[in-house]
Order: sequence, then structure tokens, then C-alpha cells
Amino acid sequence: GENVEQHPSTLSVQEGDSAVIKCTYSDSASNYFPWYKQELGKGPQLIIDIRSNVGEKKDQRIAVTLNKTAKHFSLHITETQPEDSAVYFCAAIRGNTPLVFGKGTRLSVIA
Amino acid sequence: SAVISQKPSRDICQRGTSLTIQCQVDSQVTMMFWYRQQPGQSLTLIATANQGSEATYESGFVIDKFPISRPNLTFSTLTVSNMSPEDSSIYLCSVEYANTEAFFGQGTRLTVV
Repeated sequence: GENVEQHPSTLSVQEGDSAVIKCTYSDSASNYFPWYKQELGKGPQLIIDIRSNVGEKKDQRIAVTLNKTAKHFSLHITETQPEDSAVYFCAAIRGNTPLVFGKGTRLSVIA
Repeated sequence: SAVISQKPSRDICQRGTSLTIQCQVDSQVTMMFWYRQQPGQSLTLIATANQGSEATYESGFVIDKFPISRPNLTFSTLTVSNMSPEDSSIYLCSVEYANTEAFFGQGTRLTVV
């Protein structure tokens, strides 16, 4: 089955700096890669996703890149703000199957 | 995106009792799932809730402990049975559409004492 590795487990950045979180996956048949943000006491919120036929996707300050050959994808957050502080999860999926999650990255943005 | 109502949002229960968690979605969805998230951890899939048939459980989870119902395409329940302190966790309902986009409820924070 699919296995998703996520790094780093914790990340601290200064406000205004960029943050990068990286994930690798094992199943070459996986074709959808979402990222979730989870704030304390809340459920995970879908913030951006990318499909296997696209190499990069951007939505304002966040972007995701996908390298299918290397089987890794990354989340990039630019101009970080304190409200970006949360736990971020990557996931991979093939077709209509359950998501397989990475272990999460706790991002702290220091004002 | 989906509007997912999960109830209760939190509960404190006595060991040996059972709790049923409800998940209501504002639209028909292809698939519904139940996850468990222990403090500071990632999400672990409990089971896929199948409409009109028995749920499909992941390794380590059994129907007697976590019975699931899904009577229609917008509603599901998860029961945590015969609870022990080890069941203290956050339980999350998730829905997935045909285009594979998946969304989560706000979760149920369960504490067993």
C-alpha cells in the first residue's frame, strides 16, 4: 500500500520568511496530493491540492510542486504570518480510496 | 467544499459505556470515512462507511468495537463501544467526492475516565 513520509516534523520561521514542507510517496499510481492545515481544536482543512498531470499549482501565498519521477511533492508558504501557525498534513491518494497521510509538520511563525 | 456537521464536538464518558458520533453532510458524497487522531499524532483510518452495506475496517479495528452505520449518502454514525481510557482521542468524519477531493468534520474530542 501507499506510504507517505513528511519532513520536517517541526518548523519555526520568522514572520515574513518562507516555509517549505516536503513529502515523499511510494505508490507510483497515486494521482492526487492534497495538503491540509489543522488548527488547534479543529478538523483538517484542505488548503491546496495538486493532481499528477500538473507540476505546480499556486494560490496566493501558498504553492505546491510535484515531481512524479522522484515521487515527492512540497508545500511552499511565502511571506508567512502568525496565523499560518498550525499543523500541516500532506496526503496521497489513488482514485476513490482513503487518503494516506504523512505524520504532520508543526509550523510556528514567530512574530 | 462540503459542509460537514459532526456531533457531539466533545464528550467525557465513563469507561465501559458507549458513545455514538454522528456525521451529516449537506450533499450526497461518494465515500465517507472515519478516522482517529490521537494527541499530537497524524490521522489513522478506522473504516470506510459503505452505504447500504457493512463498513470496511482497517487492520487493528473491528466492528464489535467500532460499529458504523451509513443509511444514506449524506449520513453516517460511528459508535465507540465498551470504552476504556485508551479510546480517548479525536474522532473525525471525512467525505470524499468523485473527483477525490476530501473534506473533514470538526471532530469529536472524546475523553474516557
